[in-house]
Amino acid sequence: QQQVKQSPQSLIVQKGGISIINCAYENTAFDYFPWYQQFPGKGPALLIAIRPDVSEKKEGRFTISFNKSAKQFSLHIMDSQPGDSATYFCAAYSGNTGKLIFGQGTTLQVKP
Amino acid sequence: EAQVTQNPRYLITVTGKKLTVTCSQNMNHEYMSWYRQDPGLGLRQIYYSMNVEVTDKGDVPEGYKVSRKEKRNFPLILESPSPNQTSLYFCASSVRWGNQPQHFGDGTRLSIL
Repeated sequence: QQQVKQSPQSLIVQKGGISIINCAYENTAFDYFPWYQQFPGKGPALLIAIRPDVSEKKEGRFTISFNKSAKQFSLHIMDSQPGDSATYFCAAYSGNTGKLIFGQGTTLQVKP
Repeated sequence: EAQVTQNPRYLITVTGKKLTVTCSQNMNHEYMSWYRQDPGLGLRQIYYSMNVEVTDKGDVPEGYKVSRKEKRNFPLILESPSPNQTSLYFCASSVRWGNQPQHFGDGTRLSIL
């Protein structure tokens, strides 16, 4: 079963717009929630991450919103740029098991 | 430069012909892992290693083997590859088990005919 569900599968946004990607998880044992950015031909790279005791984290144009009670978290990309075009993965990590579970991925295209 | 290096980057082979994908990291990381990436499924963990001579199964270990004889190397072995193992494979490492983030290699695309 998919422990971390990510949507949408693909997203097209105009330059300057806001990109929003959503994830939901099932296991309350997860204690770290990273987002990875992947460009074609490259491995995933950590973009931003949050722990469940925080409701929001912002780094530049990237913001994670976290809703612990709903077991949902989302990535917001403000002022989206063509260079942001990539595949984005949410993930959930359990410090107890050492396992990192990924969402299905979202392919973002930012049109100039 | 800190990096995780995988070889080969691309491989086309036939069913049943044993193959090894190498992974090497130069960051003295204790924890290493292998993932496969398939469309619509994200990345799924195959095997991981918390330190030298310590390995354990991830979520999709069937058909794969690993070894960790040295800290820097963590090869992925397909003893008898089958077409359902056609995928994009990533090796990753982190300082130690329980630490994030994981640093990923650039991937190995395997095609099993």
